[in-house]
Amino acid sequence: QQQVKQSPQSLIVQKGGISIINCAYENTAFDYFPWYQQFPGKGPALLIAIRPDVSEKKEGRFTISFNKSAKQFSLHIMDSQPGDSATYFCAARYTGGFKTIFGAGTRLFVKA
Amino acid sequence: GAGVSQSPRYKVAKRGQDVALRCDPISGHVSLFWYQQALGQGPEFLTYFQNEAQLDKSGLPSDRFFAERPEGSVSTLKIQRTQQEDSAVYLCASSSQGAPITGELFFGEGSRLTVL
Repeated sequence: QQQVKQSPQSLIVQKGGISIINCAYENTAFDYFPWYQQFPGKGPALLIAIRPDVSEKKEGRFTISFNKSAKQFSLHIMDSQPGDSATYFCAARYTGGFKTIFGAGTRLFVKA
Repeated sequence: GAGVSQSPRYKVAKRGQDVALRCDPISGHVSLFWYQQALGQGPEFLTYFQNEAQLDKSGLPSDRFFAERPEGSVSTLKIQRTQQEDSAVYLCASSSQGAPITGELFFGEGSRLTVL
């Protein structure tokens, strides 16, 4: 029962380009939407996060766009670098602050 | 240590064996989570502790899976009579807040279980 659907599964971007990853959720009982970055052999690490009362959040080269009515949110990576090559997971946390569920992941490869 | 520590990093078990996976969270973190990550997939929620109390175990796939955190710090995930479908990376995460203020989960590097 996948409640957070993520696309694409994989993405290849030229260095300097924009990487865009999309997520859609089905349940309205979420209050926090983080993105995690995972390198091979490592655990996921928080990249950036947004709350549903905000439509956009930017931190450096990373931006989250959030559309509450459409139940969609996306991650934009500007000026993509080879070091950004990793797997990215969108996630959603249930209201109450406990359980966080994850999308299936997007494998990003940035070509030098 | 500074981060979440998990052991063993790698475990090979024969089908039917019992295994125990350990998680040492960041000192002082109230919340502790276990996730299962199959190859090429996202982490799947297993269970959640706040201090020593197991508040949600809805993600445990069967009664062969059992988790505990008796003193509110170190946690152990036990899998009895392992099956091949249990092969996965088991991730532990901790969080500094019991209340929903900050949402960041700090993950360990995981324990990779292979069941033959």
